[in-house]
Amino acid sequence: AQSVAQPEDQVNVAEGNPLTVKCTYSVSGNPYLFWYVQYPNRGLQFLLKYITGDNLVKGSYGFEAEFNKSQTSFHLKKPSALVSDSALYFCAVRDGLGNTPLVFGKGTRLSVIA
Amino acid sequence: SQTIHQWPATLVQPVGSPLSLECTVEGTSNPNLYWYRQAAGRGLQLLFYSVGIGQISSEVPQNLSASRPQDRQFILSSKKLLLSDSGFYLCAWSRSTSGGNEQFFGPGTRLTVL
Repeated sequence: AQSVAQPEDQVNVAEGNPLTVKCTYSVSGNPYLFWYVQYPNRGLQFLLKYITGDNLVKGSYGFEAEFNKSQTSFHLKKPSALVSDSALYFCAVRDGLGNTPLVFGKGTRLSVIA
Repeated sequence: SQTIHQWPATLVQPVGSPLSLECTVEGTSNPNLYWYRQAAGRGLQLLFYSVGIGQISSEVPQNLSASRPQDRQFILSSKKLLLSDSGFYLCAWSRSTSGGNEQFFGPGTRLTVL
């Protein structure tokens, strides 16, 4: 069975500092990994995904994520946080064996403090 | 380009009343469609998904049901709402061709059951 863990409910970071939101996964086959962001009372917005190839994936709004197969992780990163990055972030995984719904983590709330 | 619509945006209903939420997708054909519920701004709970007209998979047994009367229309219903049905309901779609396809979310419907 597929699963995703986001070990931190809340991450606080000062504006201008680098940020990391952690995600680990478990799948039986090759993983497809995704990051989404949600602002209050809005739907989820797709940020980036890993399918295959380069382990460092770049996405929207300056975010990037690094796929680490040995650690089964896919952490979201940004070199310099903005106050406007404050939101709820979701990691998701789909087992490469089939076209099934994404399995989402429980979310991490990011607060960027000015 | 593709767009996804949900309505209504907000809904306040009494306990025991019926429910009908609608989701439509434009600009694509034969999408996979999904209904999620989000409680208290946290994790997503997959309720139903559909890979084609009339094909519905239920992930959680409850008093909700889903239907897909047309290729790009997905409806979430209930005959009698419970207080516990309150939440933020999100519809999503994805292309059906590959496990690496991301899901695109609608703007959501905020349901309050009183």
